[in-house]
Amino acid sequence: AQSVTQLDSQVPVFEEAPVELRCNYSSSVSVYLFWYVQYPNQGLQLLLKYLSGSTLVKGINGFEAEFNKSQTSFHLRKPSVHISDTAEYFCAVRGSGTSYGKLTFGQGTILTVHP
Amino acid sequence: GAVVSQHPSWVICKSGTSVKIECRSLDFQATTMFWYRQFPKQSLMLMATSNEGSKATYEQGVEKDKFLINHASLTLSTLTVTSAHPEDSSFYICSARAPSGRVTDTQYFGPGTRLTVL
Repeated sequence: AQSVTQLDSQVPVFEEAPVELRCNYSSSVSVYLFWYVQYPNQGLQLLLKYLSGSTLVKGINGFEAEFNKSQTSFHLRKPSVHISDTAEYFCAVRGSGTSYGKLTFGQGTILTVHP
Repeated sequence: GAVVSQHPSWVICKSGTSVKIECRSLDFQATTMFWYRQFPKQSLMLMATSNEGSKATYEQGVEKDKFLINHASLTLSTLTVTSAHPEDSSFYICSARAPSGRVTDTQYFGPGTRLTVL
């Protein structure tokens, strides 16, 4: 079984400042890791994913994340945020042996970008 | 990119009635679809995994007789909330996975359906 912990429920930040949203996971098997963004009253949109290879993953909208196996973390970063980045962000994990690709989600982090 | 639609986007119903929610993969075939529910300010909780042509696999604690799932084709899965009650009010989101056979396939999410039971 897998679990995901997003350490911050809310992150306020000013426009053009850098931001990091933290995600830690626990699993007894190799994992695939994902970050999704959810805008109000909408479904989830994939930001980026780590499957294998380079531990630094670049996604859409200028976001990137780094997989750290020793610390079991997959923190999401953006060097300069925009107002339009205000949304809720979910970290998710899928075990490499999980049948049918079942995802386990973290609790979500609400990012609020202030002008 | 792959698109998943849901219909309706929102529905209000009376307690005791049944509501059907459709999830469609518009430009790809999905052998596996997932149904999630999301309560306000909470994360997504997987309800069930739906495979085309077979019975859905429900997560622990989800009543299969209350949440009927049918995955009749490679592009359509339906969730029927039977005898809905106010506590069933939630945001229901589906996702679809393309059948390329690779475990690394991405899930594509629908826009969600807001169910309010009065």
